[in-house]
Amino acid sequence: GAVVSQHPSWVICKSGTSVKIECRSLDFQATTMFWYRQFPKQSLMLMATSNEGSKATYEQGVEKDKFLINHASLTLSTLTVTSAHPEDSSFYICSARRGTGNEQFFGPGTRLTVL
Amino acid sequence: QKEVEQDPGPLSVPEGAIVSLNCTYSNSAFQYFMWYRQYSRKGPELLMYTYSSGNKEDGRFTAQVDKSSKYISLFIRDSQPSDSATYLCAMYHGANNLFFGTGTRLTVIP
Repeated sequence: GAVVSQHPSWVICKSGTSVKIECRSLDFQATTMFWYRQFPKQSLMLMATSNEGSKATYEQGVEKDKFLINHASLTLSTLTVTSAHPEDSSFYICSARRGTGNEQFFGPGTRLTVL
Repeated sequence: QKEVEQDPGPLSVPEGAIVSLNCTYSNSAFQYFMWYRQYSRKGPELLMYTYSSGNKEDGRFTAQVDKSSKYISLFIRDSQPSDSATYLCAMYHGANNLFFGTGTRLTVIP
């Protein structure tokens, strides 16, 4: 159990367009989901924490109007990169926490390339 | 000072060697410690999860936590080429956020 999926696995888009990334917990309910980004050969950087039915909490330096997060159900959170620019190109990874447990289970990641 | 320090490597070992991966941390409030394995272009996979000090063994993997020294380790016995990946330590203290090390890139040479 504890499988997290992401869709799409990769996306290429033009500068100025918006991209939506979905994160789903397939076999458990996730009260909390997290969004990270990872640049090549670097560790994961937490962008925001998302609780079902409430507004996401963004980390310092992360623009909430640019990275829109919606956590509409206990199994789905979405990250929308609005007006994407080449510097937004990165590997975006979500994770989900199962119930009140402490472990985070990660999705396979979405590679975004903005041309 | 970073919350979690981890030598990025890279680390290359011959097949069958014992691998030792380590992290140090500065926040004594950390109580939950994890090791993740991340293959290239994939999301991290939880390998080991320990609470407080002590050892935990799972197959060829052993996780050690020494809270007095603020030091955690992951040992891999009889390393295999399939163990080649980046290993990330992570920890937290009951709040939401996981604090990650930078990851150590391991290559096991056949």
